[in-house]
Amino acid sequence: QQKVQQSPESLIVPEGGMASLNCTSSDRNVDYFWWYRQHSGKSPKMLMSIFSNGEKEEGRFTVHLNKASLHTSLHIRDSQPSDSALYLCAAVNTGNYKYVFGAGTRLKVIA
Amino acid sequence: GALVYQYPRRTICKSGTSMRMECQAVGFQATSVAWYRQSPQKTFELIALSTVNSAIKYEQNFTQEKFPISHPNLSFSSMTVLNAYLEDRGLYLCGARTINTEVFFGKGTRLTVV
Repeated sequence: QQKVQQSPESLIVPEGGMASLNCTSSDRNVDYFWWYRQHSGKSPKMLMSIFSNGEKEEGRFTVHLNKASLHTSLHIRDSQPSDSALYLCAAVNTGNYKYVFGAGTRLKVIA
Repeated sequence: GALVYQYPRRTICKSGTSMRMECQAVGFQATSVAWYRQSPQKTFELIALSTVNSAIKYEQNFTQEKFPISHPNLSFSSMTVLNAYLEDRGLYLCGARTINTEVFFGKGTRLTVV
């Protein structure tokens, strides 16, 4: 059964610091990854998606993907307290339209 | 835009009783609906995935006998928690999508068992 492992389970970074979150899939048929963010009391919302090997940057957020190792990482530079949230990674298989979420990384940015 | 509504937002039930929660997709056709639970012990667990014209697939530790799901059309799904006990408390999230889209989540139904 396909699994998506996220690490670390929780992370504390100082305001202005860099937060790095990891995600690996065990399914070799995965085509792309989603990163979602869920603030406390809110529903998860799509943050970024990545299809191609390499890097994708949007503002303070950068996502890396290594398709060979089925590993993606999310990096948040200049972290702000408002970035404190649960970050969920999902591995998506376009062949069968299936997707699997990991258990999440809980990020806390302290001022 | 695509929206997912869940109701009730909060509910309290007595231990051993059952409660039903609903999920409504607006603005798109929900060909696939997944139900998740978030609890203090576990951050994000998939309960089951329902895809139109396919059998509902339950994850390990979750059964149809305990969490029966209905997905009668492309805009609606419901799930019941039967014989709820303390360990069933948490936030139940519905995530819906159509082919080639991201998953859109509702705000969840928070279940408290007393």
